[in-house]
Formats: sequence, C-alpha cells, structure tokens
Amino acid sequence: NAGVTQTPKFQVLKTGQSMTLQCAQDMNHEYMSWYRQDPGMGLRLIHYSVGAGITDQGEVPNGYNVSRSTTEDFPLRLLSAAPSQTSVYFCATQTGGYGYTFGSGTRLTVV
Amino acid sequence: SQKIEQNSEALNIQEGKTATLTCNYTNYSPAYLQWYRQDPGRGPVFLLLIRENEKEKRKERLKVTFDTTLKQSLFHITASQPADSATYLCALEGSGNTGKLIFGQGTTLQVKP
Repeated sequence: NAGVTQTPKFQVLKTGQSMTLQCAQDMNHEYMSWYRQDPGMGLRLIHYSVGAGITDQGEVPNGYNVSRSTTEDFPLRLLSAAPSQTSVYFCATQTGGYGYTFGSGTRLTVV
Repeated sequence: SQKIEQNSEALNIQEGKTATLTCNYTNYSPAYLQWYRQDPGRGPVFLLLIRENEKEKRKERLKVTFDTTLKQSLFHITASQPADSATYLCALEGSGNTGKLIFGQGTTLQVKP
C-alpha cells in the first residue's frame, strides 16, 4: 500500500515547455486534488476531482489542465510553463469526512 | 472572500509546556476543520478533524477546539517535545464532501529542550 505517489520529485523546465505531473493512489479514494505551495502563500487549490470523469477548478487553475479517467490517477498538465509556475506541487486524496492524504510533492523550477 | 488566518510569527516554547496555536476564519461556514503537520521538504500529514457540531476532539497529546460562533479553532499540544517542532496547518472544508480543502498559511512551532 503505497498511498499517494507523485512523480517526478524534481523537475526543471524551460519557459514554454509542457509537462505532466503524475499522481497515483491505491486507496480507492473518491476525491483527488492538486495544490501548489509557495513561500508565504500557503497551499492553494489548483484543480480537484470528486470521482472518475469529474473535475473542477480550484483557486488558481490558470495554466493547468487535469483529467480523471480512472479512480487511481489524476495527472496535472502544464500547457506552456511560465516562471510564475515555479512551486512545490502536492497531490492529495480523501474519502469523504476524513483527513486528506498527501503525496511527497514535486518541486518544479521554470527558467 | 474566504480567509483563514493563523499566527504568522513562529511560536517558540520550552519542552514540556503546552503549545497553543490559533486558527481564525471569515466568510465561511465549514463543515469540517482539520489540522495538519508539515515538516520541511515533506507533504502535510493529517492530524485531527473536527466537525461543525463538535466542540472538542482529542488524540493522545493533541487537542482541538472548534467555536463556530467565534469562527475560531485552537490546537493544543500538551507536554511538548522537540520532535513536535514543525509547521502546523489549519484547513477548512465545506459541507457535502466537496473535495475542496482551504488552507491557512501555517504556524511554525519550535520546541526548545
């Protein structure tokens, strides 16, 4: 039981490049979400999903796409990376009414 | 807009004392209030969840209170230890299991031996 697995752990992108941050869970949780964490800003919600085939925007969705074709996976796509997207990204899962389980994060630098 | 405020300054206490962290919120009616611990370079780890109809919840040395009238939660760590040193995050979730968690900025706790 691995919990929530995020890959890669570190990534450096050039401005304008695209990439996908992977998130996989083996707990059969309905809810999955992506957060970014910046110094002094706390964790901010990017996108979230309440089940396969259902996604919605969070507080800071611009520049990011998501899809949820299976219960287990919730990838986050950066369409055209910008320096403002330099951050630490966390994926989280939950089954209703309980605490969230977070992955170990992806540290992304856009140069 | 929804706002969650936690003590922005670090909290420094002596080992063995009780640490008390505060979380205040505005423009929100959460169904659940949660506390997480985050160590440097790691993801947040869930500690406690308290529901809107609960006043207090305990787990070992941890205690959380929830006052929906004051729109405030207090998080206590009794008999604190240097290993309790970390950043503690308050988070709110609305009713209906939305999957959306809103976080405060966190309070850094330093427990000195």
